[in-house]
Amino acid sequence: NAGVTQTPKFRILKIGQSMTLQCTQDMNHNYMYWYRQDPGMGLKLIYYSVGAGITDKGEVPNGYNVSRSTTEDFPLRLELAAPSQTSVYFCASSSIQDFLDGYTFGSGTRLTVV
Amino acid sequence: ILNVEQSPQSLHVQEGDSTNFTCSFPSSNFYALHWYRWETAKSPEALFVMTLNGDEKKKGRISATLNTKEGYSYLYIKGSQPEDSATYLCAFKNTGNQFYFGTGTSLTVIP
Repeated sequence: NAGVTQTPKFRILKIGQSMTLQCTQDMNHNYMYWYRQDPGMGLKLIYYSVGAGITDKGEVPNGYNVSRSTTEDFPLRLELAAPSQTSVYFCASSSIQDFLDGYTFGSGTRLTVV
Repeated sequence: ILNVEQSPQSLHVQEGDSTNFTCSFPSSNFYALHWYRWETAKSPEALFVMTLNGDEKKKGRISATLNTKEGYSYLYIKGSQPEDSATYLCAFKNTGNQFYFGTGTSLTVIP
């Protein structure tokens, strides 16, 4: 199993540009999440999804959009990149019974906005 | 937004020393507490999932305890090895659908 696959691993954006961070999981997990990690800070939840067609905001959703058209894919969209969005982004997934297994994380995307 | 605190923020120990860290979380509406091990340039990996007050989990030299009534969990590492160097994250889940991560304890084991 590949687990959770994130692309790209690194990206530099100019202010005002847009991009999509891709996330795919092959474990048939219902729940998927996007987190960002800033230096010295914990993981902050951006958006999450409890199943295809269902998404909800986390702690820090401003400036981002998501969609969940399939169980496997949960892309994160940045429409107008700002320097405050410079961060490392992690996608994660879990089964409904995540209290048994915990989250499975992707390898992260390091985004710099200049 | 809930507060999940981990202490200490960082820790340096000698190889062979035993050590422990703390994760504090709200004691109301508890659902689960996770511990993750996060090596530099990698993604977090789940160590333990704990759901019941008094839970004790063990994996090799690493163990964890849980007290949901007072809102804390301890992670212990016995006989630390250089390969244990990592950031250890805890994540608290209440009866809603979201996890709240602590900021982690960064452990460095000096050979």
